[in-house]
Amino acid sequence: QVQLQESGPGLVKPSGTLSLTCAVSGGSISSSNWWSWIRQPPGKGLEWIGEIYHSGSTNYNPSLKSRVTISVDKSKNQFSLKLSSVTAADTAVYYCARNKDGEGSGAFDIWGQGTMVTVSS
Amino acid sequence: VIWMTQSPSLLSASTGDRVTISCRMSQGISSYLAWYQQKPGKAPELLIYAASTLQSGVPSRFSGSGSGTDFTLTISCLQSEDFATYYCQQYYSFPRTFGQGTKVEIK
Repeated sequence: QVQLQESGPGLVKPSGTLSLTCAVSGGSISSSNWWSWIRQPPGKGLEWIGEIYHSGSTNYNPSLKSRVTISVDKSKNQFSLKLSSVTAADTAVYYCARNKDGEGSGAFDIWGQGTMVTVSS
Repeated sequence: VIWMTQSPSLLSASTGDRVTISCRMSQGISSYLAWYQQKPGKAPELLIYAASTLQSGVPSRFSGSGSGTDFTLTISCLQSEDFATYYCQQYYSFPRTFGQGTKVEIK
């Protein structure tokens, strides 16, 4: 059974870069799935950040595209998120998720537990 | 960007009730819609995809319907474990977007 686990600093300074990693276990990141990052500010709704395929192909949310980089490391079976020039508005729980394969591709069928990232000096 | 309007934002109901949640799109998305349940402090869980297909392991009291711009999630007989927040999500186009959420609380 595939499981996802986010890791990274819980506190980032304003104007700095947020860096998170999602480790994939119980399955291969080189499967026919896309892999996504999604965030949720405290008490608010969900925002899709972007996605990556094991080939390195990516799709990003235009609202964040200038600041976001998602990469994949097949040797470590993980993918990563970098968000630059962060402000307090980037404070959120960050989730990694697996995009469903086949019918329903585009829905998110497996999620990590989420990691809280606070932007503060 | 496809905007989604979920209603109601808050729904008060009792165990055993039949509840419906609506999700309306700013443009047609065929059946490229998913529904999620989220409990406090937890990640969302996929309930339904392709507007009406139940994800494996999800109880049959959950059902989805609709296509185009109007969609509905129905819980036929509300159980105690169903009190949570529900989100719709479209995957017809990029960026993927979510509804604002509907909190189902105990009346």
